[in-house]
Amino acid sequence: QQQVKQSPQSLIVQKGGISIINCAYENTAFDYFPWYQQFPGKGPALLIAIRPDVSEKKEGRFTISFNKSAKQFSLHIMDSQPGDSATYFCAASISGSSYKLIFGSGTRLLVRP
Amino acid sequence: ETGVTQTPRHLVMGMTNKKSLKCEQHLGHNAMYWYKQSAKKPLELMFVYNFKEQTENNSVPSRFSPECPNSSHLFLHLHTLQPEDSALYLCASSQRERSSYNEQFFGPGTRLTVL
Repeated sequence: QQQVKQSPQSLIVQKGGISIINCAYENTAFDYFPWYQQFPGKGPALLIAIRPDVSEKKEGRFTISFNKSAKQFSLHIMDSQPGDSATYFCAASISGSSYKLIFGSGTRLLVRP
Repeated sequence: ETGVTQTPRHLVMGMTNKKSLKCEQHLGHNAMYWYKQSAKKPLELMFVYNFKEQTENNSVPSRFSPECPNSSHLFLHLHTLQPEDSALYLCASSQRERSSYNEQFFGPGTRLTVL
């Protein structure tokens, strides 16, 4: 019940296309859903995050869509660029008493020029 | 840079060696974390320190020994490791408050190879 399932494992998109990465969870107590971006040789960095009281959050070309009833959330990268090529991790946590971040298994994105 | 530094960046050690990984955060945070990142696996939380006190140990083998002398520094002492312990070890920090969300800031990691 503590798992966060992420798909696909890898994704290849042409420059200018839309990249979509999906995550699903079981624990309805999760109330914070961040996405992290990791480039080779670097640690993960927070990209964008959402709370379950909104269904969508947009920051530039990055959008999180959240479906509370389906217990799913996804990252959309519009107008994908070669510089977006990285590994993306979704995560979930419970604010307040527990601060553990439960990470998905990661998606390796390659954006072709 | 994220404000979290880790040294060394790369480490090769034999199974009988003893070595230590160091993490330092310059963000004024009160919580620090060790994660293990292996190929094709989710990030695995190893240890959590809150105000220098260990609050979580995710069934990590005793050959990994954490130390947190103050809220800015975190060490991971390694001894008699196994080849399967080869991985990227990531340190993170966050500001833990009762009503806050857990935004963690990661260091660049130490790439460990156990021969």
